[in-house]
Amino acid sequence: AQSVAQPEDQVNVAEGNPLTVKCTYSVSGNPYLFWYVQYPNRGLQFLLKYITGDNLVKGSYGFEAEFNKSQTSFHLKKPSALVSDSALYFCAVRDPGNTPLVFGKGTRLSVIA
Amino acid sequence: GAVVSQHPSRVICKSGTSVKIECRSLDFQATTMFWYRQFPKQSLMLMATSNEGSKATYEQGVEKDKFLINHASLTLSTLTVTSAHPEDSSFYICSARGGTDTQYFGPGTRLTVL
Repeated sequence: AQSVAQPEDQVNVAEGNPLTVKCTYSVSGNPYLFWYVQYPNRGLQFLLKYITGDNLVKGSYGFEAEFNKSQTSFHLKKPSALVSDSALYFCAVRDPGNTPLVFGKGTRLSVIA
Repeated sequence: GAVVSQHPSRVICKSGTSVKIECRSLDFQATTMFWYRQFPKQSLMLMATSNEGSKATYEQGVEKDKFLINHASLTLSTLTVTSAHPEDSSFYICSARGGTDTQYFGPGTRLTVL
């Protein structure tokens, strides 16, 4: 069965500094990996995904993530954090095929001015 | 990205009544739709998966007679919470997937049962 771990409940970073939100996964085959962001009382917004190809994936709002098969990780990164990046971030994984996403517990990012 | 709408965004109802939540994919055909439930400060819990024209597949522990899901067209799915009780109060989020690998999410519906 698929599973996702987000080891940090909360990440604090100063505005302008690089940020990393960690994610590790477990799937039986080749994973489809996703990052979503959620603002208060809102649904999830898609940021980026890895399906195949280049391990470094670039997404919305300057975010990127690197797929590392040997470490089974898919950490979310941004070179320079903005206060407006403060939100709840979810990593998700699924198997190929018509299967639903399995979510991590979420990591709350707080960017301090 | 693709747009998924959800209506209503917020609903308050009395215990024992039924509430219907609509989920629409606005600019793509959603062959598969998903319904999630989210408790405060927690992750999303998958309730059910529905394919257009088929019966929904419910996750373990989710009562199919209480949470009725209909996916009658490629752009519309509905979730009806029947005989709602205060413990059903939650944030319900729908999600849709069409011909791509990406699931897009609606803005969510906050249900409060008094």
